[in-house]
Amino acid sequence: KNEVEQSPQNLTAQEGEFITINCSYSVGISALHWLQQHPGGGIVSLFMLSSGKKKHGRLIATINIQEKHSSLHITASHPRDSAVYICAVNRGGNQFYFGTGTSLTVIP
Amino acid sequence: NAGVTQTPKFQVLKTGQSMTLQCAQDMNHEYMSWYRQDPGMGLRLIHYSVGAGITDQGEVPNGYNVSRSTTEDFPLRLLSAAPSQTSVYFCASSYTAGGYNEQFFGPGTRLTVL
Repeated sequence: KNEVEQSPQNLTAQEGEFITINCSYSVGISALHWLQQHPGGGIVSLFMLSSGKKKHGRLIATINIQEKHSSLHITASHPRDSAVYICAVNRGGNQFYFGTGTSLTVIP
Repeated sequence: NAGVTQTPKFQVLKTGQSMTLQCAQDMNHEYMSWYRQDPGMGLRLIHYSVGAGITDQGEVPNGYNVSRSTTEDFPLRLLSAAPSQTSVYFCASSYTAGGYNEQFFGPGTRLTVL
């Protein structure tokens, strides 16, 4: 069983819709990261969370440490948001554990 | 800054051949790591380094070798390629180890082993 589970696996939305991607983990963590993988394959870091909530533009990330759950929200989605979104957790050491990703397609 | 660079972008090998995937960063990061990405699976850690001269194994180290002679470079060696090593390989770096630092990823190397 993967220590990091994401849902949904695939998501199709109309432009302008509010989108939520979920990440649940089964172990104690020091930090959780949200990553974006572009259709061309490149991976960029979006957020690092250890508590609470962060906002960057139309993206919002939240984490509930007690419930071992994090969400990534995209407001007013746009076709350029189409990508794979990956959740990764660090348990305080040198290793990250990654979810399998959520593939998002935003249709104009 | 070029960030994290990887070469080559694509490679085809025959079973039993060896090769080195190159990774370099120009951000003076202590921590560097190699991941492989396979369909339906999350990124998995192969090897990592917390500084020049220091390397350690990750989740899936078998069949791979690494060294870190300088802060900038962290090459990954495939000793005797097998079809199971067909994958996309990503190198990443961060300022230090641990979870509180942003990870910077290279563009990836797509490897096919026939």
